[in-house]
Amino acid sequence: GIQVEQSPPDLILQEGANSTLRCNFSDSVNNLQWFHQNPWGQLINLFYIPSGTKQNGRLSATTVATERYSLLYISSSQTTDSGVYFCAVTVGGSQGNLIFGKGTKLSVKP
Amino acid sequence: DTGVSQNPRHKITKRGQNVTFRCDPISEHNRLYWYRQTLGQGPEFLTYFQNEAQLEKSRLLSDRFSAERPKGSFSTLEIQRTEQGDSAMYLCASSLRPGLNNEQFFGPGTRLTVL
Repeated sequence: GIQVEQSPPDLILQEGANSTLRCNFSDSVNNLQWFHQNPWGQLINLFYIPSGTKQNGRLSATTVATERYSLLYISSSQTTDSGVYFCAVTVGGSQGNLIFGKGTKLSVKP
Repeated sequence: DTGVSQNPRHKITKRGQNVTFRCDPISEHNRLYWYRQTLGQGPEFLTYFQNEAQLEKSRLLSDRFSAERPKGSFSTLEIQRTEQGDSAMYLCASSLRPGLNNEQFFGPGTRLTVL
């Protein structure tokens, strides 16, 4: 089956710094989503981005489907950005169930 | 609140007991998914409904697990004869019907602890 790899696994930042999180996938995908999981376990939708570039405030994402990767950019990080960031994909022929990477754990220090 | 809701939020049970969780999807969504997440891992797919029909089940879903969505609205996930290995966060998600944007939205989860 498809492999979804996220890097780095852990990231520690000082408040105000910028960061880039990467998601590589081993096969063609239909859909790709980025989530932020808060300390209470809630998965918050950040982007639905099977291809192209999107921006939402301090966050932006780019997916290059032909090269099988996606990037999540966080600018001017805040302590509330801390948590785990997941990339998840769906593949052709499936019923649309998401396949998740192992996540990037982000800690933003004041 | 029009998001996905799940109940209970936490459940502690003794090994061998049965537990049931409920998920209420976003009202116009007809696809509903169950996932399980263990510590340090991403969520893993368990099963999926389109309206009331259960269309796919993961190999993770042992015979002790059963899910229903009787009227195509809310869904229940039952675990019989719980084992300590069942301890996890159980997540529910919903999305619009196929052919359109299949973005999935998750509920807050039910955290199960089996003693």
